[in-house]
Amino acid sequence: DAMVIQNPRYQVTQFGKPVTLSCSQTLNHNVMYWYQQKSSQAPKLLFHYYDKDFNNEADTPDNFQSRRPNTSFCFLDIRSPGLGDAAMYLCATSRAGEWEKLFFGSGTQLSVL
Amino acid sequence: DQQVKQNSPSLSVQEGRISILNCDYTNSMFDYFLWYKKYPAEGPTFLISISSIKDKNEDGRFTVFLNKSAKHLSLHIVPSQPGDSAVYFCAASSKNRDDKIIFGKGTRLHILP
Repeated sequence: DAMVIQNPRYQVTQFGKPVTLSCSQTLNHNVMYWYQQKSSQAPKLLFHYYDKDFNNEADTPDNFQSRRPNTSFCFLDIRSPGLGDAAMYLCATSRAGEWEKLFFGSGTQLSVL
Repeated sequence: DQQVKQNSPSLSVQEGRISILNCDYTNSMFDYFLWYKKYPAEGPTFLISISSIKDKNEDGRFTVFLNKSAKHLSLHIVPSQPGDSAVYFCAASSKNRDDKIIFGKGTRLHILP
């Protein structure tokens, strides 16, 4: 089945130690998104790619970076994780023209020790 | 500053009865509204949407009502079934904002036997 896959399901890192979260998709969708969701909060958009065009949200900290080497893969890099970056990170995709239908992965729960 | 508000963190409804989930928004530029459903350990999945030119959209047991003057929308599930137990996210977007989707915090729906 076509899907959005996030690995790992749980990620533990140390304060200040760079960490990379990965997302892959078999849907061949143009758009890929990264959302951050803290406990009992709304998912918050960090950035998205429309094909290779990167769109950063104005309030996304510089600590968060992203890479999309090809259509299928997208990475979230946290350069120096702080305790406040502990959250669920959700990757999503959408097809151009059907932007409202996001297809989410199961998420990566990041813990920062 | 929450632009999409779901003021009920949780809701319990008897199986077979109607579930009504409410959502308020503050941004009058929003012109498209969505509901997503999330099961534990899974990513949210698209459920139903409504454009601001409509006041009702129905899909099987799910109906979304939009009251633009009150900046309020609701999701009705009739009849409620055990498989409807999940977290429901209300979301909104505007074509003038690069199709960015803003989510609410979610409402956890429990369907009681």
